[in-house]
Amino acid sequence: EVQLVESGGGLVQPGGSLRLSCAASGIPFSTFSINWVRQAPGKGLEWISYISGSSGTIHYAESVRGRFTISRDNAKNSLYLQMNSLRAEDTAIYYCARNSLGTYYYGMDVWGQGTTVTVSS
Amino acid sequence: DIVLTQSPATLSLSPGERATLSCRASQSVSSYLAWYQQKPGQAPRLLIYDASNRATGIPARFSGSGSGTDFTLTISSLEPEDFAVYYCQQCSNWPQTFGPGTKVDIK
Repeated sequence: EVQLVESGGGLVQPGGSLRLSCAASGIPFSTFSINWVRQAPGKGLEWISYISGSSGTIHYAESVRGRFTISRDNAKNSLYLQMNSLRAEDTAIYYCARNSLGTYYYGMDVWGQGTTVTVSS
Repeated sequence: DIVLTQSPATLSLSPGERATLSCRASQSVSSYLAWYQQKPGQAPRLLIYDASNRATGIPARFSGSGSGTDFTLTISSLEPEDFAVYYCQQCSNWPQTFGPGTKVDIK
């Protein structure tokens, strides 16, 4: 059974940086593509980034492109999100989520518990 | 970007009743639509992928239908644990997008 555990959230000032991590266990990490999805307080879900198993394909939402960088280290079974130039509107719970059945066409079937990022002075 | 519209915003029903939730896309997403359930304080759970396929472990009372731009999630007979927020997600185009959600609450 695949498990995902996020870490690295916290309180950061506007303009600051934070690096989130997502640790995977249960099956070989390189076999699946994975995403970051966030949820602002009391709001809906927002997909923000995708990375394929080999890191060969990466996508970003327009709201984070140029500020956030997704990466993965398959040897360490870990996914990362480097967040720079943070804004108040980046305040959210950040989830990592695995794509279902090995393809981004089929949604996300395994989710972490989320890590909270608060951007405030 | 593809915009997803969900209706109604809130659905007030009693246990045992049938729930019908709608998701409409601003352009065709073929069958590449997923449905999720989210309860307070929890991560979303995948219910349906590829418009009509139940994810592993999802009860048969959940079913999905549709293609192109119009999709439906049906819960045939609501159980107490089904009262939650439901989101659709289009997986066809980048950026992938979610609908705003439908809250199913107890009448």
